[in-house]
Amino acid sequence: DAGVTQSPTHLIKTRGQQVTLRCSPKSGHDTVSWYQQALGQGPQFIFQYYEEEERQRGNFPDRFSGHQFPNYSSELNVNALLLGDSALYLCASSRDLTGHTEAFFGQGTRLTVV
Amino acid sequence: AQSVTQLDSQVPVFEEAPVELRCNYSSSVSVYLFWYVQYPNQGLQLLLKYLSGSTLVESINGFEAEFNKSQTSFHLRKPSVHISDTAEYFCAVSGAGGTSYGKLTFGQGTILTVHP
Repeated sequence: DAGVTQSPTHLIKTRGQQVTLRCSPKSGHDTVSWYQQALGQGPQFIFQYYEEEERQRGNFPDRFSGHQFPNYSSELNVNALLLGDSALYLCASSRDLTGHTEAFFGQGTRLTVV
Repeated sequence: AQSVTQLDSQVPVFEEAPVELRCNYSSSVSVYLFWYVQYPNQGLQLLLKYLSGSTLVESINGFEAEFNKSQTSFHLRKPSVHISDTAEYFCAVSGAGGTSYGKLTFGQGTILTVHP
């Protein structure tokens, strides 16, 4: 079992550009959540996808959007990048929405905006 | 809404000494509580969790945490640490229902450094 896989591992973008990050959940998991972890901070919840719909959203602007595909994989899109979007973006998958089951995290995508 | 406060940003300790990493939370609903560990350049790994039942939960590598509802705390302890325990530890909470179901709110993290 490959666990949660994220791509790419590192990315450098210029202010104003757009970026797409990808996540494949652990086998058997149907719920995907995205988190932003700024340097020296704890992860912050961006949004959660289940059955191809956004189920919950944190306090992030509309520049952050996502998608979940029928195979449960997910994308995080960020438009009009700002310097402050530089962070480690973590994807987590779980077997359901309840929070009872363990959320498994990927190794993250390190995004640097210059 | 929930919030988590980890009271120590850094905890240095010598090998084989005991350690406690402190975590307090606030929530208007019942909660589930978690401790995650993050090694350098890696994602988060679940260390232990409290969902219900016994307020003392244990991990396979010797850590334990106790849910104290009256003090809204979930402190992490280990009686004897190893060099390999050096990592950053995050306390997290999710609502046991309502709008925060399944959404993790994390503390700022505590860097545990174990010295030989």
